[in-house]
Amino acid sequence: AQKITQTQPGMFVQEKEAVTLDCTYDTSDPSYGLFWYKQPSSGEMIFLIYQGSYDQQNATEGRYSLNFQKARKSANLVISASQLGDSAMYFCAMAGANNLFFGTGTRLTVIP
Amino acid sequence: DAGITQSPRHKVTETGTPVTLRCHQTENHRYMYWYRQDPGHGLRLIHYSYGVKDTDKGEVSDGYSVSRSKTEDFLLTLESATSSQTSVYFCAISESPRASGKVDTQYFGPGTRLTVL
Repeated sequence: AQKITQTQPGMFVQEKEAVTLDCTYDTSDPSYGLFWYKQPSSGEMIFLIYQGSYDQQNATEGRYSLNFQKARKSANLVISASQLGDSAMYFCAMAGANNLFFGTGTRLTVIP
Repeated sequence: DAGITQSPRHKVTETGTPVTLRCHQTENHRYMYWYRQDPGHGLRLIHYSYGVKDTDKGEVSDGYSVSRSKTEDFLLTLESATSSQTSVYFCAISESPRASGKVDTQYFGPGTRLTVL
């Protein structure tokens, strides 16, 4: 069975600084996908970035990058140059056979 | 943004009443999903559909039923609502869970906040 763990309930970062949100996972499936979603206070779930288990390089999307360490089973999200609009809940998720398994989320607060 | 709408966006109902939530997509994606979001649990899958009239249970399906009579619509029904079903419900869509060896991204609707008194 798949499991996603996010151990940081809340994080603070100064505006314009970089921040890393932790995510560890567990699966016996040799092929899997990892996702990060952002949920602002307005409530919608916004897809940020995807990493496939066989991808040779870490995924990047603008200011978001995924620090994928397969041996450690970690898929940390790195946000560079934080902005006030980055304040939100962030969820790590792993794809199962027909659904996504979500972690409990990390609330990021960007301080001006 | 993926074309996904949910209705209603907010609903307050009483214990024991039936409730139906609707998800509508304009992307012609094959797969549709219903999740619920509760504090401390992230999102959990209730039911999903892999085609018209093809549905299956998820992690927390007890007390819920679904129907999909056409590609664009996926209905979630609470036959007799209970207070434990107070939650935020999200619909999601994807082209397929795994396409050509690559996991397909799920895109989410705006959510429905349901309160059962």
